[in-house]
Amino acid sequence: EAGVAQSPRYKIIEKRQSVAFWCNPISGHATLYWYQQILGQGPKLLIQFQNNGVVDDSQLPKDRFSAERLKGVDSTLKIQPAKLEDSAVYLCASSPSPGGTEAFFGQGTRLTVV
Amino acid sequence: GDSVTQMEGPVTLSEEAFLTINCTYTATGYPSLFWYVQYPGEGLQLLLKATKADDKGSNKGFEATYRKETTSFHLEKGSVQVSDSAVYFCALFNTNAGKSTFGDGTTLTVKP
Repeated sequence: EAGVAQSPRYKIIEKRQSVAFWCNPISGHATLYWYQQILGQGPKLLIQFQNNGVVDDSQLPKDRFSAERLKGVDSTLKIQPAKLEDSAVYLCASSPSPGGTEAFFGQGTRLTVV
Repeated sequence: GDSVTQMEGPVTLSEEAFLTINCTYTATGYPSLFWYVQYPGEGLQLLLKATKADDKGSNKGFEATYRKETTSFHLEKGSVQVSDSAVYFCALFNTNAGKSTFGDGTTLTVKP
């Protein structure tokens, strides 16, 4: 079974530029998550989708971050404009729903804002 | 809301020493519990998991037992190796809410 795919693996941008990350969840998984992992901290949930609807985006900085899940499958996370403090690893995860017992994580995208 | 508290690091051990990393949690319902490992420059890797009380998860010599009475999931290994040097994250998955919550990680350094 293919895992959660993310791209790119690494990205370096200047502050005030925009950037987008892509995620392809495990086939058939209805729930998709984006997490932000700042160096030295555990991952923190940014947004959770159920199919193509948003379940929880309470921790998403909506003035600069946006996310969408096209047709309930792939998802993109965008930052515009980026700030230095956005430097982090952005993790995508998916889980079957209902009844799932865990989320499956992708390798992440390491973003460096200079 | 849900929370996970891990023993603060960094932890430095000599090769072949015994390892314990403490983890306690607060959650509604009956969460699944996990330990993830992150090697330098790499992504999260699932190390082991337990989905119900008294289950023991094990992998690569690491073990952790789901203790509902003490809301704990401590990670142990009898004899660590230099290659075990990494950051270890304790996490829970709330099956009712469908959400993961992570601890802040514990950095382990094993010296030869």
